[in-house]
Amino acid sequence: QVQLQESGPGLVKPSQTLSLTCTVSGGSISSGGYYWSWIRQHPGKGLEWIGYIYYSGSTYYNPSLKSRVTISVDTSKNQFSLKLSSVTAADTAVYYCAREGSGSEYFHHWGQGTLVTVSS
Amino acid sequence: DIQMTQSPSSLSASVGDRVTITCRASQSISSYLNWYQQKPGKAPKLLIYAASSLQSGVPSRFSGSGSGTDFTLTISSLQPEDFATYYCQQSYSSPRTFGQGTKLEIK
Repeated sequence: QVQLQESGPGLVKPSQTLSLTCTVSGGSISSGGYYWSWIRQHPGKGLEWIGYIYYSGSTYYNPSLKSRVTISVDTSKNQFSLKLSSVTAADTAVYYCAREGSGSEYFHHWGQGTLVTVSS
Repeated sequence: DIQMTQSPSSLSASVGDRVTITCRASQSISSYLNWYQQKPGKAPKLLIYAASSLQSGVPSRFSGSGSGTDFTLTISSLQPEDFATYYCQQSYSSPRTFGQGTKLEIK
């Protein structure tokens, strides 16, 4: 059973870069066939898809965040990461990592989520 | 981007009720529509994929229908554990987008 686990600082200062890592267990990112996504949820609000990466390194970012987002993958560690630059209080949210199948286009597996607060 | 609009935004119902939630896409998405259930403090859980396919392990009282732009999620007989927030999500194109959610509350 695939499991995803987010990790990273829970507090980030305004204008700095938010960095999170998702560690995958029970399956290999490098086996292909899946897109690895980041999704966030502002407090009390709905879900916003940030972007995804394929094991090959190809990415797609939400245009609304594209100028500030970088998603990368480390297949040797079976991890993928999110960097969001120039953060403001509006980036305070619970950040989830999730897996979507190629040909099975739905988010079947999710991490438990991690709250990141942007505050000085 | 494809906009997803759910209705209602909130709904009060009783155990045993039949409930229907609607999701409308701003353009045709064929059957690339998924439904999730989210409880407070938890990650969303996949209920229905490809508009009408029941995810393994999800009770059969949940069902989905629709294609094109209009979709519905139906719970045939509400159980206490079904009180949660429900989201639709399109996977027809990127960026992936979600509806704003429907909060199902106990009457």
